[in-house]
Amino acid sequence: GQNIDQPTEMTATEGAIVQINCTYQTSGFNGLFWYQQHAGEAPTFLSYNVLDGLEEKGRFSSFLSRSKGYSYLLLKELQMKDSASYLCAVRDSNYQLIWGAGTKLIIKP
Amino acid sequence: DVKVTQSSRYLVKRTGEKVFLECVQDMDHENMFWYRQDPGLGLRLIYFSYDVKMKEKGDIPEGYSVSREKKERFSLILESASTNQTSMYLCATGTGPLGGANVLTFGAGSRLTVL
Repeated sequence: GQNIDQPTEMTATEGAIVQINCTYQTSGFNGLFWYQQHAGEAPTFLSYNVLDGLEEKGRFSSFLSRSKGYSYLLLKELQMKDSASYLCAVRDSNYQLIWGAGTKLIIKP
Repeated sequence: DVKVTQSSRYLVKRTGEKVFLECVQDMDHENMFWYRQDPGLGLRLIYFSYDVKMKEKGDIPEGYSVSREKKERFSLILESASTNQTSMYLCATGTGPLGGANVLTFGAGSRLTVL
């Protein structure tokens, strides 16, 4: 079967760094996406990885290891507005997205 | 700004009622998707469409149907609502070959409660 695993909830302090992990087992791999979803709002695109390595975009970075079926999203200099759910999704061999259940990130002052 | 607009943010319906959820996009994207989002579960694909009048079943199509008469509009229909269809419904649009998912743009969601 296809499976995406992420921690259910994480807590971090404002100004700190947090790493949200995502492991996957899917039928084929055509890229991995991270989305951010604030409570009651639409998910919005954060990052995309298809090759191994680190993609940096401002305070956010995303890493991929295809051989390990593993990705992480790294958030630096955390701000209160980063409190949200972070969704990991893998595009499979049919080019459809398989979604993790999301990680709720709570930022404390 | 890309806009994906869902007609209703909150709906309350009774078991057995017919429910229409509408989604309109202004980006001229070929692909449109309907997902449902439930606590503790990943987004689950109900149906998608890659062209006008074309539709494909997703992972959980039972109890749902869709309509795409115009490129910008994709409707989700619950013919006879049941309590287990209480959920958040998310519409999304994007580009990609024959419904394949590239970066998706989501609507704000429609929260449906079936009593």
